[in-house]
Amino acid sequence: DGGITQSPKYLFRKEGQNVTLSCEQNLNHDAMYWYRQDPGQGLRLIYYSQIVNDFQKGDIAEGYSVSREKKESFPLTVTSAQKNPTAFYLCASSVDRLEAFFGQGTRLTVV
Amino acid sequence: DAKTTQPPSMDCAEGRAANLPCNHSTISGNEYVYWYRQIHSQGPQYIIHGLKNNETNEMASLIITEDRKSSTLILPHATLRDTAVYYCIVRLLYNQGGKLIFGQGTELSVKP
Repeated sequence: DGGITQSPKYLFRKEGQNVTLSCEQNLNHDAMYWYRQDPGQGLRLIYYSQIVNDFQKGDIAEGYSVSREKKESFPLTVTSAQKNPTAFYLCASSVDRLEAFFGQGTRLTVV
Repeated sequence: DAKTTQPPSMDCAEGRAANLPCNHSTISGNEYVYWYRQIHSQGPQYIIHGLKNNETNEMASLIITEDRKSSTLILPHATLRDTAVYYCIVRLLYNQGGKLIFGQGTELSVKP
């Protein structure tokens, strides 16, 4: 079945460590997105990518990095520079002007 | 940078129609209006989208005003499972980055 897969579902990180969240899609979508969601809040855009080897910062990119080496993959690295990384992270993909499909999210907790 | 305004919360009686409003007064001619909903701790689910005409699918109807500055999502017969946060989004043009910008959404509570 076509879809978008995020892994892992739960992730724990020690302070000062980098951690990478995986996002894979087999929908042949050009655009991919990463969002952060804090409890009781809406989704905030971290990074997005329209094509391979190109990506743009969203509203809250500081402390995060991404890569887009393959069309189907858009991993997000939460670096030690992100001071408050505990949150729910959502990945999405879309074709221009059509609906976006979301993964089921990764819940990151700093311990 | 959200370009939409929604009420933070609404209640609806089970079996009645739920009408969720959205203001998008700065929408431009080629931008679409999308609606998603998010049930707690899950990824958002696509509901419907439209440009200028009213749209209907198996989940909902979308009514867009003639000047396109506002829209209403209608769930014709709300059930308890429709309790969720509903997001109205204006989709930027692809050559502007194609970003999907979410606002705070409307928390819809369907009550028995």
